[in-house]
Amino acid sequence: DAKTTQPNSMESNEEEPVHLPCNHSTISGTDYIHWYRQLPSQGPEYVIHGLTSNVNNRMASLAIAEDRKSSTLILHRATLRDAAVYYCILRPVLLSNYGGATNKLIFGTGTLLAVQP
Amino acid sequence: EAQVTQNPRYLITVTGKKLTVTCSQNMNHEYMSWYRQDPGLGLRQIYYSMNVEVTDKGDVPEGYKVSRKEKRNFPLILESPSPNQTSLYFCASSSHDRLGYGYTFGSGTRLTVV
Repeated sequence: DAKTTQPNSMESNEEEPVHLPCNHSTISGTDYIHWYRQLPSQGPEYVIHGLTSNVNNRMASLAIAEDRKSSTLILHRATLRDAAVYYCILRPVLLSNYGGATNKLIFGTGTLLAVQP
Repeated sequence: EAQVTQNPRYLITVTGKKLTVTCSQNMNHEYMSWYRQDPGLGLRQIYYSMNVEVTDKGDVPEGYKVSRKEKRNFPLILESPSPNQTSLYFCASSSHDRLGYGYTFGSGTRLTVV
């Protein structure tokens, strides 16, 4: 299974942009890049995902390198509520014996984002 | 509201006493999965289910059972809990697709086995 590498922790100031990097040099052509975050005492929460092109949604933006070996999650204006562990995950879309994707997510240790007021 | 509901949120039990943690989703998702989260080890998959009556082992299935008799429910069964199963458990579901849609996770069940 392809792995990801993220910094253990990062700090940001409130209302400033945050760029969370992720390296995935062994990514395969059918791996989607997913980002989740986990707030204290809560379950992981889906943030964004992409395959090759940059993606935007109401929570964040995802910038994917041209060779797909790295990506960056961008929070445009950090708030105190964005303090969480952010996980970059490769989701292999593999065909199973049942004709569909295995859908497995492999979590790494993530990046603990601290947001200072 | 689209959600994954786990019960109970907290559970303290004794070694060997069978227990079931329930998981239900209201999004008509085909895929459901159980994870456990431990300090220093992160989130690890226990079992998953591709659809009704289709289940398979994840990375750490020992000591656990699951069933998928209905699409919305995916209970996690510990037939004879042991202290090393003390952990934080999460249920998740997603659409059964090839386009990489996101997972929805439950709020977690904190289990302590004494």
